[in-house]
Amino acid sequence: GAGVSQSPRYKVTKRGQDVALRCDPISGHVSLYWYRQALGQGPEFLTYFNYEAQQDKSGLPNDRFSAERPEGSISTLTIQRTEQRDSAMYRCASSLASTGPGNTIYFGEGSWLTVV
Amino acid sequence: AQSVTQPDIHITVSEGASLELRCNYSYGATPYLFWYVQSPGQGLQLLLKYFSGDTLVQGIKGFEAEFKRSQSSFNLRKPSVHWSDAAEYFCAVGLYNTDKLIFGTGTRLQVFP
Repeated sequence: GAGVSQSPRYKVTKRGQDVALRCDPISGHVSLYWYRQALGQGPEFLTYFNYEAQQDKSGLPNDRFSAERPEGSISTLTIQRTEQRDSAMYRCASSLASTGPGNTIYFGEGSWLTVV
Repeated sequence: AQSVTQPDIHITVSEGASLELRCNYSYGATPYLFWYVQSPGQGLQLLLKYFSGDTLVQGIKGFEAEFKRSQSSFNLRKPSVHWSDAAEYFCAVGLYNTDKLIFGTGTRLQVFP
């Protein structure tokens, strides 16, 4: 597609429910990233993939968070047993190739998650 | 540990005035530095980036930034602000040999007519 597409754009869920956030990167982009942005903060790295391989998941806050990219294109970030502290904007981004930060990373509009 | 500081949470300027947004970083090696802008309802858009070479970097929308190693700074400037520049601006440092970006907390820019 023309840009990084994320869905849903807005999600309200009850505490304890599981949530899946979807990211469709720019066509042909090898690398895909997930960031989380709380209100009043900058984006915070969660994890990233090259093709289908998860290269770094050091930013995932705990084992309730997981991500996959099974065919090297669309990715899903799943949060199990959501808690109120999970409320934030979740941003997906992609880049053409993974050769370090020299690549331009393109961000999607984000998915706003509210846990009530 | 690597970090980015944007000391100004909120800045207000008049349209046509000059602008400087401050960014300081902490990183042991030569940094990769970025400025992103987030307009309402939009994703993060890259304004400009610095990797090496000329320390004055030109970006889109008339923005520029200057890397000053001695001050660990990468301030963003624009000579004449337009009302459409009202947005939130994020400075980020890219970690060498990784694909992570470390972002500052952002500066919200308001522009008055």
